[in-house]
Amino acid sequence: GQQVMQIPQYQHVQEGEDFTTYCNSSTTLSNIQWYKQRPGGHPVFLIQLVKSGEVKKQKRLTFQFGEAKKNSSLHITATQTTDVGTYFCAGHRGGGGGADGLTFGKGTHLIIQP
Amino acid sequence: GAGVSQTPSNKVTEKGKYVELRCDPISGHTALYWYRQSLGQGPEFLIYFQGTGAADDSGLPNDRFFAVRPEGSVSTLKIQRTERGDSAVYLCASSSALANEQFFGPGTRLTVL
Repeated sequence: GQQVMQIPQYQHVQEGEDFTTYCNSSTTLSNIQWYKQRPGGHPVFLIQLVKSGEVKKQKRLTFQFGEAKKNSSLHITATQTTDVGTYFCAGHRGGGGGADGLTFGKGTHLIIQP
Repeated sequence: GAGVSQTPSNKVTEKGKYVELRCDPISGHTALYWYRQSLGQGPEFLIYFQGTGAADDSGLPNDRFFAVRPEGSVSTLKIQRTERGDSAVYLCASSSALANEQFFGPGTRLTVL
């Protein structure tokens, strides 16, 4: 079955440093979604990437979708304490990119030291 | 506006007992999902409803798990003969027909003693 892998599992950074998490799928994805989960909270949708090679930015966050649509990355510039949490990538199980269930990676836990 | 709600927020039960977990999706959302999340892991897909029908139940781990959504809104996840390995946070999410974004509820933390 479809597998989604993320590295690193944990990332410690000093406040103000940059952070990147990488996501790889065992199958070609129709799209990829990213979610953030704060400690003690639930996953919150950040973005969806659809096109091969797509790059999207949200303020200090930059999301990329690989040319082969099997990998993705999230980069945060100049981290702040509000960025603390776990970042998950997820691909649609059905492969069609519709409203079906998601396969999540294990997530990257971002820990920020002031 | 109202988001996805789940009840109870916490459930402690004994091994072998039956439990029901409830999910109230965002009004008008046709798609509803159940996931479970163990500590340090990503959400694991269980079942997906489109309207009243289960469109994909391939994530249910065994026949002790069952879910319903009789009127296409509220859903109940039912677990029979609970085992200690069922302990996890059970997350519900919903999405509209127009977008793939899934909105998650706060989850139910199930502890099986």
